[in-house]
Amino acid sequence: GAGVSQSPRYKVAKRGQDVALRCDPISGHVSLFWYQQALGQGPEFLTYFQNEAQLDKSGLPSDRFFAERPEGSVSTLKIQRTQQEDSAVYLCASSLLPYSNQPQHFGDGTRLSIL
Amino acid sequence: GENVEQHPSTLSVQEGDSAVIKCTYSDSASNYFPWYKQELGKRPQLIIDIRSNVGEKKDQRIAVTLNKTAKHFSLHITETQPEDSAVYFCAAIQGGSQGNLIFGKGTKLSVKP
Repeated sequence: GAGVSQSPRYKVAKRGQDVALRCDPISGHVSLFWYQQALGQGPEFLTYFQNEAQLDKSGLPSDRFFAERPEGSVSTLKIQRTQQEDSAVYLCASSLLPYSNQPQHFGDGTRLSIL
Repeated sequence: GENVEQHPSTLSVQEGDSAVIKCTYSDSASNYFPWYKQELGKRPQLIIDIRSNVGEKKDQRIAVTLNKTAKHFSLHITETQPEDSAVYFCAAIQGGSQGNLIFGKGTKLSVKP
């Protein structure tokens, strides 16, 4: 596609519910990153995929957060038993090559609100 | 781990003036430094980046300088226009990672017509 696509754009859930956020990276991009952006802050790294392999999940805040990219393209970030502190914008980024110094292109994000 | 400090947090300039945003980083292994522009409710948009093997890069009205010894890099915008108004983020690669970006807290730039 023309750019990184994320859905839904907005998600409202009650505390305790599970949510799933989708990222469709730029076609052919090997690397995929998830970031969390709190209001008024810069994005913070959550996890990294190279094709279907999750090589780094050091930024996931708890075991309630789970991400997958089973076929090396679309990725899903799942949050179980959501809590109010999970409210944030979740951004996905992709880059063409699996090297650390490659430009990352972001999607519009999913704004998650936990009531 | 990597820590990125960004200053100022807000910057207001008159149209046509220059704007400078400065960042420092802590990890000497960092080798890639992108700058992103984010308008309200929109995606971070890559506007320029620099790798550690060069000291300066320019793209029309935007330039970035890098001082590896001092571990700081700066964004320079010349001839500012109202459409440059946005939040700007600097970032650095976390050393030893696969490309994890560590972001500064952002600078809200306002360009007054």
